[in-house]
Amino acid sequence: AQSVAQPEDQVNVAEGNPLTVKCTYSVSGNPYLFWYVQYPNRGLQFLLKYITGDNLVKGSYGFEAEFNKSQTSFHLKKPSALVSDSALYFCAVRDLGSGNTGKLIFGQGTTLQVKP
Amino acid sequence: DAGVIQSPRHEVTEMGQEVTLRCKPISGHDYLFWYRQTMMRGLELLIYFNNNVPIDDSGMPEDRFSAKMPNASFSTLKIQPSEPRDSAVYFCASSFGGLGADTQYFGPGTRLTVL
Repeated sequence: AQSVAQPEDQVNVAEGNPLTVKCTYSVSGNPYLFWYVQYPNRGLQFLLKYITGDNLVKGSYGFEAEFNKSQTSFHLKKPSALVSDSALYFCAVRDLGSGNTGKLIFGQGTTLQVKP
Repeated sequence: DAGVIQSPRHEVTEMGQEVTLRCKPISGHDYLFWYRQTMMRGLELLIYFNNNVPIDDSGMPEDRFSAKMPNASFSTLKIQPSEPRDSAVYFCASSFGGLGADTQYFGPGTRLTVL
């Protein structure tokens, strides 16, 4: 069965420092991987996705993620964090068992706190 | 496009009352998803539709929950009777089938409080 794990409940980083939010996955076959962000009292917003191709995927707001097949990871990164990046971040994988339905399996979320 | 629209944004009701949440997906999208988010359980998929037809309702917690999609531009999630443990934020999301099927667009959510 497909699954995704976010090992950290919270990540703290100082403004201007690089940030990493970790995600590991377990799928049979080629994974479709996603990152979403949720700001307080808002719905989830799509950040980026990996389907195929270059292992480094660039997304919105200066975020990027690196697909690592050998480590089954898809960590979210940003070179220089902003206070406004503080939010809840979700990693997700497409549920291949459901066919081409777009059904996603979400991780439990990681709270990113960027301090000035 | 206005994005996914949900109403109401906030709902406070008493135990035993019927609650109806509404969703208007993005025009042209053919998949619609209902999620529930709580601190304890995180984000849970309740049910999803394709071309107005329910495909998977295995996430619906009990018979008290029901969802309909009478047309491509409207869906409802109903809880009858409501219980305090139903308190949560309920999200609707939509996506377009085919190559872009994976990217879901979420509405702002309905915060439900059952007293």
